[in-house]
Amino acid sequence: EAGVAQSPRYKIIEKRQSVAFWCNPISGHATLYWYQQILGQGPKLLIQFQNNGVVDDSQLPKDRFSAERLKGVDSTLKIQPAKLEDSAVYLCASSLGGPSTDTQYFGPGTRLTVL
Amino acid sequence: QQQVKQSPQSLIVQKGGISIINCAYENTAFDYFPWYQQFPGKGPALLIAIRPDVSEKKEGRFTISFNKSAKQFSLHIMDSQPGDSATYFCAASNYQLIWGAGTKLIIKP
Repeated sequence: EAGVAQSPRYKIIEKRQSVAFWCNPISGHATLYWYQQILGQGPKLLIQFQNNGVVDDSQLPKDRFSAERLKGVDSTLKIQPAKLEDSAVYLCASSLGGPSTDTQYFGPGTRLTVL
Repeated sequence: QQQVKQSPQSLIVQKGGISIINCAYENTAFDYFPWYQQFPGKGPALLIAIRPDVSEKKEGRFTISFNKSAKQFSLHIMDSQPGDSATYFCAASNYQLIWGAGTKLIIKP
């Protein structure tokens, strides 16, 4: 079974530029998550999709971050414009059901450096 | 109240020893408590999980102990091996997974 795919693996941009990350979840997984992991910290949930609908985006900085999940499969996360404090690893995860019932499977992440 | 507090921040254990990582929570609505293991450059991977109706769960060398009244749970790694060197995260969930800050475990050969 193929795992969660993410691209790119690394990205370096200057502040105020825009950047987009892509995620392909495990086939058949209804729930998709985007997390931000700052060095030395645990993952912080940015947004959770159930199929192609948003379940929770309470911690997504909506003035600069946006995310969509097309046709309930792939997802993109965009930052525009980026700030220095956005430097982090962005993790995508997927699960069959919700976070209290099913295992979340993580991709390798995208390491973003904002200069 | 949505926090999960994890300790220690880092831990060094001799090969063959027991590694113990502790977590505490406040929200009694949490009903799922997983532990994730993360190697450098990789995403976290589920190690073992427990629900509050069970006080202990063991899978191989890994055991979760759960104390509902104290609102604490811990991970024990028996016969720790150099390959166990990683960062370990506890988490708790009701409708959203809340993560601890992580413990960097180093097993010395």
